[in-house]
Amino acid sequence: DQQVKQNSPSLSVQEGRISILNCDYTNSMFDYFLWYKKYPAEGPTFLISISSIKDKNEDGRFTVFLNKSAKHLSLHIVPSQPGDSAVYFCAASTGKLIFGQGTTLQVKP
Amino acid sequence: DAGVIQSPRHEVTEMGQEVTLRCKPISGHNSLFWYRQTMMRGLELLIYFNNNVPIDDSGMPEDRFSAKMPNASFSTLKIQPSEPRDSAVYFCASSLRDYGYTFGSGTRLTVV
Repeated sequence: DQQVKQNSPSLSVQEGRISILNCDYTNSMFDYFLWYKKYPAEGPTFLISISSIKDKNEDGRFTVFLNKSAKHLSLHIVPSQPGDSAVYFCAASTGKLIFGQGTTLQVKP
Repeated sequence: DAGVIQSPRHEVTEMGQEVTLRCKPISGHNSLFWYRQTMMRGLELLIYFNNNVPIDDSGMPEDRFSAKMPNASFSTLKIQPSEPRDSAVYFCASSLRDYGYTFGSGTRLTVV
């Protein structure tokens, strides 16, 4: 039973363009959502988060959007840079973090 | 602070052997989590502790898996006996607040 789903295993974009990573969830009790970034041979690191009472949170090039009615959130990276190439995990919380399967982003120079 | 420290970084073992993974959380953090990363399921929560007490072990796949946290600075995840399907990267994370998780670099386990 996968409560947090990232249906796109991979995404490839050109440097300077927008990257959009998507995430769906099933549990309406989730009250906080986060995105983590993971480089090879390293642990995931926190990127950006959003509370369920908001629909948008922005931090520099990174913006997270939350659509509660659709149980969907997305991460926008603008402009994308080669250093953004990594695995991105969506996570949701009711006190413990439940992660999705991850999406591998490749940003081509 | 050195962050969350996991050992070993890599472990190769034969099927049927006992495997012990170790984790030292960040000093002062009161929650500790064990996750397993696989291609199919991403990051799965296996078990978490709060103030050294196991709170939720519903993610532990089988009785072959066990975890302990004898004190605030150390935790172990043990697999006995190990099987090839246990091959994965195992992460430990610690936190002080609900959402501020810091992950270790992981242990890559290969069971042959």
